[in-house]
Amino acid sequence: DSGVTQTPKHLITATGQRVTLRCSPRSGDLSVYWYQQSLDQGLQFLIQYYNGEERAKGNILERFSAQQFPDLHSELNLSSLELGDSALYFCASSVSWSGGASGANVLTFGAGSRLTVL
Amino acid sequence: AQSVTQPDIHITVSEGASLELRCNYSYGATPYLFWYVQSPGQGLQLLLKYFSGDTLVQGIKGFEAEFKRSQSSFNLRKPSVHWSDAAEYFCAVGLRSNDYKLSFGAGTTVTVRA
Repeated sequence: DSGVTQTPKHLITATGQRVTLRCSPRSGDLSVYWYQQSLDQGLQFLIQYYNGEERAKGNILERFSAQQFPDLHSELNLSSLELGDSALYFCASSVSWSGGASGANVLTFGAGSRLTVL
Repeated sequence: AQSVTQPDIHITVSEGASLELRCNYSYGATPYLFWYVQSPGQGLQLLLKYFSGDTLVQGIKGFEAEFKRSQSSFNLRKPSVHWSDAAEYFCAVGLRSNDYKLSFGAGTTVTVRA
């Protein structure tokens, strides 16, 4: 157990629908990252939050949004779902938002949420 | 363009044999380097990381990796593979200029035969 908890583990839904994926970071970690893993795109960075504030955006579609709550858990909202959104969505957490003086950030990943859009 | 390349999509190795997974990067500055492993149905687990200093780094599960600046490479090795090492392996880089957010290679799937 990595300490990063993601729910649900599996989700099957239809095109046009909206889903919410949830992530609880490891205890003590303030930064949360969302990644999408698909067969054709590999692992793609979506978005990062640090202590409740959006820190960076990657290849995140406008149909997708995220937030980090005061208790530091995060939710990724996916709307108007398309077949191509079927993927494994990972949440990762880290202590800081950047490497700081100690060097690079070390991300701890959750087990992922597998989304299937039919 | 900046990139992380894992040239081998799939490697099959016999149990007990040695394993080497290749990773090359193309960045202006020396990035911070990581290897993660993803077992079937599991999340990504950090095997090892390189920030600076000794270019040969030891990780968990008997893995090691060597950073070679001249070759822009960070290859992962294991002297003797166990059946439980069958998984997908990802090389990742983080850049100071990008707040060290990770960019991943496409991954190498390792199959271990008895």
